Amino acid sequence: GNSVTQMEGPVTLSEEAFLTINCTYTATGYPSLFWYVQYPGEGLQLLLKATKADDKGSNKGFEATYRKETTSFHLEKGSVQVSDSAVYFCALSDRASGTYKYIFGTGTRLKVLA
Amino acid sequence: EPEVTQTPSHQVTQMGQEVILRCVPISNHLYFYWYRQILGQKVEFLVSFYNNEISEKSEIFDDQFSVERPDGSNFTLKIRSTKLEDSAMYFCASSEGPGNTEAFFGQGTRLTVV
Repeated sequence: GNSVTQMEGPVTLSEEAFLTINCTYTATGYPSLFWYVQYPGEGLQLLLKATKADDKGSNKGFEATYRKETTSFHLEKGSVQVSDSAVYFCALSDRASGTYKYIFGTGTRLKVLA
Repeated sequence: EPEVTQTPSHQVTQMGQEVILRCVPISNHLYFYWYRQILGQKVEFLVSFYNNEISEKSEIFDDQFSVERPDGSNFTLKIRSTKLEDSAMYFCASSEGPGNTEAFFGQGTRLTVV
């Protein structure tokens, strides 16, 4: 079945450090891939998405590239800020497998220190 | 900007009581979802709903759960007889289309069963 695996957290970085959060997936078809962010006490917000291989999603300085050959969708940011502290969820949706649901990874908590 | 609205934001209920969680999806969306997140854990799919019927449900969504779209705007999740382990954050989501389209999430309802 389809699944998403994320790196374990928490990740603690100093402000302006480089961020990578790894995400790999297993899917039977050609899924769309998403990163959602959950700020403390809030719901899930879409951060970025990619719908086909080699697409790069980007938003607010975050980027992720859909790599079919390595089944990965790693999240990166060149210079993190304290305000980026949140939980980040990688997710996929694979309509080709006959399902409409989104499958989430376990989430990675990021803490950025000033 | 259109958004998914959930009420209440927090509900405390006694074990064995029925609860109804309410959601107003984005008006032109056709696909509706409920997810839950037990504190500190992953976001889990419960059910998807399209064309006035359940399109998919997870093994969590047993006979104690039901969903309904009672009118043109609301989408509800009912838990018939709550258990302690139902305590979680419940997220409603909606999307224009299935699979590769973005799902918009509400802020969540925190359900506490005592």
